[in-house]
Amino acid sequence: GQNIDQPTEMTATEGAIVQINCTYQTSGFNGLFWYQQHAGEAPTFLSYNVLDGLEEKGRFSSFLSRSKGYSYLLLKELQMKDSASYLCAVINSNYQLIWGAGTKLIIKP
Amino acid sequence: IAGITQAPTSQILAAGRRMTLRCTQDMRHNAMYWYRQDLGLGLRLIHYSNTAGTTGKGEVPDGYSVSRANTDDFPLTLASAVPSQTSVYFCASRDTSGGSDTQYFGPGTRLTVL
Repeated sequence: GQNIDQPTEMTATEGAIVQINCTYQTSGFNGLFWYQQHAGEAPTFLSYNVLDGLEEKGRFSSFLSRSKGYSYLLLKELQMKDSASYLCAVINSNYQLIWGAGTKLIIKP
Repeated sequence: IAGITQAPTSQILAAGRRMTLRCTQDMRHNAMYWYRQDLGLGLRLIHYSNTAGTTGKGEVPDGYSVSRANTDDFPLTLASAVPSQTSVYFCASRDTSGGSDTQYFGPGTRLTVL
Protein backbone atom coordinates (compact mmCIF):
# COMPACT_ATOMS: atom_id res chain seq x y z
CA GLY A 1 0.00 0.00 0.00
CA GLN A 2 0.87 3.65 -0.03
CA ASN A 3 1.06 5.71 3.10
CA ILE A 4 2.28 8.99 4.47
CA ASP A 5 3.14 9.21 8.17
CA GLN A 6 3.32 12.39 10.19
CA PRO A 7 2.80 13.10 13.89
CA THR A 8 -0.79 13.81 14.81
CA GLU A 9 -0.07 16.81 16.99
CA MET A 10 2.87 18.92 18.15
CA THR A 11 3.19 21.80 20.58
CA ALA A 12 5.78 24.58 20.43
CA THR A 13 6.44 27.97 21.99
CA GLU A 14 6.12 31.32 20.28
CA GLY A 15 9.50 32.47 18.96
CA ALA A 16 10.97 28.95 18.95
CA ILE A 17 11.75 26.51 16.11
CA VAL A 18 9.77 23.36 15.32
CA GLN A 19 10.43 20.52 12.89
CA ILE A 20 7.53 18.48 11.52
CA ASN A 21 8.57 15.14 10.06
CA CYS A 22 6.98 13.19 7.24
CA THR A 23 7.88 9.69 6.06
CA TYR A 24 6.39 8.14 2.98
CA GLN A 25 6.05 4.81 1.24
CA THR A 26 4.57 5.25 -2.22
CA SER A 27 4.64 3.57 -5.60
CA GLY A 28 7.25 5.83 -7.12
CA PHE A 29 8.03 9.45 -6.36
CA ASN A 30 7.60 12.59 -8.40
CA GLY A 31 7.63 15.28 -5.74
CA LEU A 32 6.59 16.16 -2.21
CA PHE A 33 4.43 19.03 -1.00
CA TRP A 34 3.78 20.75 2.28
CA TYR A 35 0.51 22.59 2.78
CA GLN A 36 -0.77 24.68 5.66
CA GLN A 37 -4.40 24.47 6.73
CA HIS A 38 -5.96 26.72 9.34
CA ALA A 39 -9.03 25.39 11.11
CA GLY A 40 -12.12 25.70 8.94
CA GLU A 41 -10.17 26.85 5.91
CA ALA A 42 -8.76 25.33 2.74
CA PRO A 43 -5.17 24.08 2.49
CA THR A 44 -2.67 26.59 1.11
CA PHE A 45 0.60 25.73 -0.63
CA LEU A 46 3.85 26.09 1.33
CA SER A 47 6.56 24.18 -0.53
CA TYR A 48 7.42 21.67 -3.23
CA ASN A 49 10.51 19.43 -3.17
CA VAL A 50 11.49 17.13 -6.00
CA LEU A 51 15.27 16.92 -5.45
CA ASP A 52 17.16 16.06 -2.28
CA GLY A 53 18.14 18.91 -0.04
CA LEU A 54 16.79 21.94 1.72
CA GLU A 55 14.48 24.54 0.21
CA GLU A 56 14.26 27.74 2.22
CA LYS A 57 11.44 30.23 1.94
CA GLY A 58 11.45 32.89 4.61
CA ARG A 59 10.71 31.43 8.03
CA PHE A 60 9.77 28.07 6.50
CA SER A 61 12.17 25.46 5.09
CA SER A 62 11.48 22.02 3.69
CA PHE A 63 13.96 19.16 3.42
CA LEU A 64 13.80 16.02 1.32
CA SER A 65 15.74 12.75 1.31
CA ARG A 66 14.39 10.48 -1.40
CA SER A 67 16.61 7.55 -0.42
CA LYS A 68 15.14 7.61 3.09
CA GLY A 69 11.57 8.42 2.07
CA TYR A 70 11.71 11.34 4.46
CA SER A 71 10.95 15.03 4.58
CA TYR A 72 10.63 17.66 7.22
CA LEU A 73 9.15 21.12 7.44
CA LEU A 74 11.09 23.53 9.63
CA LEU A 75 9.33 26.58 11.02
CA LYS A 76 11.49 29.28 12.62
CA GLU A 77 10.59 32.26 14.81
CA LEU A 78 7.18 30.78 15.47
CA GLN A 79 4.22 33.13 15.58
CA MET A 80 0.78 32.50 17.01
CA LYS A 81 -0.64 32.62 13.48
CA ASP A 82 1.42 29.51 12.66
CA SER A 83 -1.04 27.47 14.70
CA ALA A 84 -2.53 25.25 12.01
CA SER A 85 -2.40 21.78 10.53
CA TYR A 86 0.50 20.97 8.22
CA LEU A 87 -0.16 18.45 5.48
CA CYS A 88 2.49 16.39 3.73
CA ALA A 89 1.65 14.97 0.30
CA VAL A 90 3.59 12.92 -2.26
CA ILE A 91 3.10 12.57 -6.02
CA ASN A 92 3.53 8.92 -6.95
CA SER A 93 4.58 7.34 -10.25
CA ASN A 94 1.01 7.65 -11.60
CA TYR A 95 1.10 11.36 -10.78
CA GLN A 96 -1.52 10.86 -8.09
CA LEU A 97 -1.21 12.98 -4.98
CA ILE A 98 -1.16 10.91 -1.77
CA TRP A 99 -1.94 12.91 1.37
CA GLY A 100 -0.91 12.45 4.97
CA ALA A 101 -3.48 13.01 7.71
CA GLY A 102 -1.74 16.21 8.78
CA THR A 103 0.05 17.45 11.89
CA LYS A 104 -1.81 19.85 14.14
CA LEU A 105 0.67 22.42 15.45
CA ILE A 106 -0.26 24.27 18.63
CA ILE A 107 1.72 27.41 19.45
CA LYS A 108 1.79 28.54 23.07
CA PRO A 109 2.80 32.05 24.21
CA ILE B 1 -13.95 35.41 -9.88
CA ALA B 2 -10.42 34.94 -8.58
CA GLY B 3 -9.06 31.43 -8.10
CA ILE B 4 -11.50 28.66 -7.25
CA THR B 5 -15.02 29.08 -5.97
CA GLN B 6 -17.30 26.44 -4.52
CA ALA B 7 -21.02 26.46 -3.83
CA PRO B 8 -22.77 26.04 -1.56
CA THR B 9 -20.59 26.94 1.43
CA SER B 10 -22.53 24.51 3.58
CA GLN B 11 -25.57 22.30 3.22
CA ILE B 12 -27.71 20.04 5.34
CA LEU B 13 -29.25 17.30 3.24
CA ALA B 14 -31.74 14.53 3.90
CA ALA B 15 -30.54 11.01 3.16
CA GLY B 16 -31.62 9.80 -0.26
CA ARG B 17 -31.61 13.26 -1.83
CA ARG B 18 -29.56 14.17 -4.86
CA MET B 19 -27.05 16.99 -4.49
CA THR B 20 -24.57 18.73 -6.80
CA LEU B 21 -21.60 20.60 -5.41
CA ARG B 22 -20.35 23.26 -7.77
CA CYS B 23 -16.74 24.20 -8.47
CA THR B 24 -15.47 26.88 -10.84
CA GLN B 25 -11.92 28.08 -11.53
CA ASP B 26 -10.73 31.02 -13.59
CA MET B 27 -7.05 30.09 -13.82
CA ARG B 28 -7.41 27.90 -16.93
CA HIS B 29 -5.77 24.95 -15.21
CA ASN B 30 -6.25 21.68 -17.03
CA ALA B 31 -6.36 19.36 -14.04
CA MET B 32 -9.04 19.51 -11.35
CA TYR B 33 -9.80 17.37 -8.31
CA TRP B 34 -12.47 16.66 -5.73
CA TYR B 35 -11.41 15.65 -2.22
CA ARG B 36 -13.24 14.90 0.96
CA GLN B 37 -11.66 15.62 4.30
CA ASP B 38 -12.68 13.79 7.43
CA LEU B 39 -11.15 14.19 10.88
CA GLY B 40 -8.05 12.04 11.30
CA LEU B 41 -8.10 10.75 7.72
CA GLY B 42 -6.65 13.61 5.76
CA LEU B 43 -7.66 14.45 2.21
CA ARG B 44 -9.00 11.60 0.11
CA LEU B 45 -9.39 11.90 -3.64
CA ILE B 46 -12.90 11.22 -4.96
CA HIS B 47 -12.59 11.99 -8.68
CA TYR B 48 -10.25 13.89 -10.89
CA SER B 49 -10.08 15.36 -14.38
CA ASN B 50 -6.80 15.84 -16.22
CA THR B 51 -8.41 17.95 -18.93
CA ALA B 52 -11.83 19.02 -20.16
CA GLY B 53 -13.82 16.06 -21.44
CA THR B 54 -12.01 13.46 -19.32
CA THR B 55 -12.56 12.23 -15.77
CA GLY B 56 -11.15 9.49 -13.56
CA LYS B 57 -11.85 7.74 -10.29
CA GLY B 58 -9.84 8.45 -7.19
CA GLU B 59 -9.51 6.62 -3.91
CA VAL B 60 -13.17 6.88 -2.77
CA PRO B 61 -15.40 7.31 -5.86
CA ASP B 62 -18.43 5.24 -4.84
CA GLY B 63 -21.64 7.24 -4.55
CA TYR B 64 -20.18 10.22 -6.44
CA SER B 65 -20.05 11.26 -10.08
CA VAL B 66 -18.40 14.16 -11.90
CA SER B 67 -18.44 15.81 -15.30
CA ARG B 68 -16.02 18.16 -17.03
CA ALA B 69 -17.80 19.81 -19.94
CA ASN B 70 -15.34 22.73 -20.05
CA THR B 71 -12.07 23.86 -18.47
CA ASP B 72 -13.63 26.04 -15.79
CA ASP B 73 -16.34 23.88 -14.20
CA PHE B 74 -16.09 20.57 -12.36
CA PRO B 75 -19.33 19.70 -10.52
CA LEU B 76 -19.58 16.79 -8.11
CA THR B 77 -22.90 14.96 -7.78
CA LEU B 78 -24.16 12.73 -5.00
CA ALA B 79 -26.91 10.68 -6.63
CA SER B 80 -28.52 9.50 -3.39
CA ALA B 81 -26.84 10.93 -0.30
CA VAL B 82 -26.03 8.75 2.71
CA PRO B 83 -24.90 9.84 6.21
CA SER B 84 -21.36 8.52 5.60
CA GLN B 85 -21.01 11.25 2.99
CA THR B 86 -21.09 13.87 5.72
CA SER B 87 -17.75 15.61 5.24
CA VAL B 88 -15.97 18.71 4.06
CA TYR B 89 -15.51 18.69 0.29
CA PHE B 90 -12.67 20.55 -1.38
CA CYS B 91 -12.26 21.22 -5.07
CA ALA B 92 -8.75 21.90 -6.35
CA SER B 93 -7.00 22.74 -9.59
CA ARG B 94 -3.39 22.04 -10.47
CA ASP B 95 -0.84 24.37 -11.98
CA THR B 96 2.14 22.65 -13.63
CA SER B 97 3.32 25.62 -15.68
CA GLY B 98 6.86 26.98 -15.50
CA GLY B 99 8.30 23.93 -13.77
CA SER B 100 6.07 24.31 -10.74
CA ASP B 101 3.50 21.85 -9.45
CA THR B 102 0.92 23.36 -7.12
CA GLN B 103 -2.66 22.55 -6.24
CA TYR B 104 -4.96 25.44 -5.43
CA PHE B 105 -7.97 24.72 -3.25
CA GLY B 106 -11.41 26.20 -3.12
CA PRO B 107 -12.87 27.25 0.25
CA GLY B 108 -14.73 23.99 0.73
CA THR B 109 -18.32 22.83 1.12
CA ARG B 110 -19.44 21.49 4.48
CA LEU B 111 -22.06 18.83 3.85
CA THR B 112 -24.15 17.15 6.51
CA VAL B 113 -26.36 14.22 5.50
CA LEU B 114 -29.05 13.33 8.02
